[in-house]
Amino acid sequence: GEDVEQSLFLSVREGDSSVINCTYTDSSSTYLYWYKQEPGAGLQLLTYIFSNMDMKQDQRLTVLLNKKDKHLSLRIADTQTGDSAIYFCAEIGGATNKLIFGTGTLLAVQP
Amino acid sequence: ETGVTQSPTHLIKTRGQQVTLRCSSQSGHNTVSWYQQALGQGPQFIFQYYREEENGRGNFPPRFSGLQFPNYSSELNVNALELDDSALYLCASSAASGGAIDTQYFGPGTRLTVL
Repeated sequence: GEDVEQSLFLSVREGDSSVINCTYTDSSSTYLYWYKQEPGAGLQLLTYIFSNMDMKQDQRLTVLLNKKDKHLSLRIADTQTGDSAIYFCAEIGGATNKLIFGTGTLLAVQP
Repeated sequence: ETGVTQSPTHLIKTRGQQVTLRCSSQSGHNTVSWYQQALGQGPQFIFQYYREEENGRGNFPPRFSGLQFPNYSSELNVNALELDDSALYLCASSAASGGAIDTQYFGPGTRLTVL
């Protein structure tokens, strides 16, 4: 079946690194995504990784993919208060190209 | 900003009524997907339209229906509203072609409250 799991909450201090983790079950996933959602807003695409890659870096963001363990992580370096939001990982699943989302991780950044 | 727009921003309806939500896709995109996000949950896939045809459907009853127009904008219609339909409805557009996967960009959503 298709399932994506994330931890619910992460609290960090401003300036520290944040690591948000995600596990998925669909081994045929070709792309995996990270989206950010601020209160009352839609989803903002942060980054994505193709399934044949192990790592992708984009400025403060680093995505690590362990395909064997079906584990995805998002590291945010030098976390700022503006990074406080809910972060969703998602896999693309099936012939319909539908996104399958986790329940989201609330990141709280303490000043 | 993604260039994907949705209207209205907020909507309040009563049980049994019908509602139509609208989405304009980003320029150059021919595919629109709709998602329902209940409070505290991740978005759930409703259906996708590619070149005016339904291209897949999630686990939603037939009272959820949609349309895509020649300019690739889209509507989501929900009949016989139930209290559990209260949610944020998100539309996403992408430039998928012939089954190829492309990144989905989301609009700001429509918050539907059913009383």
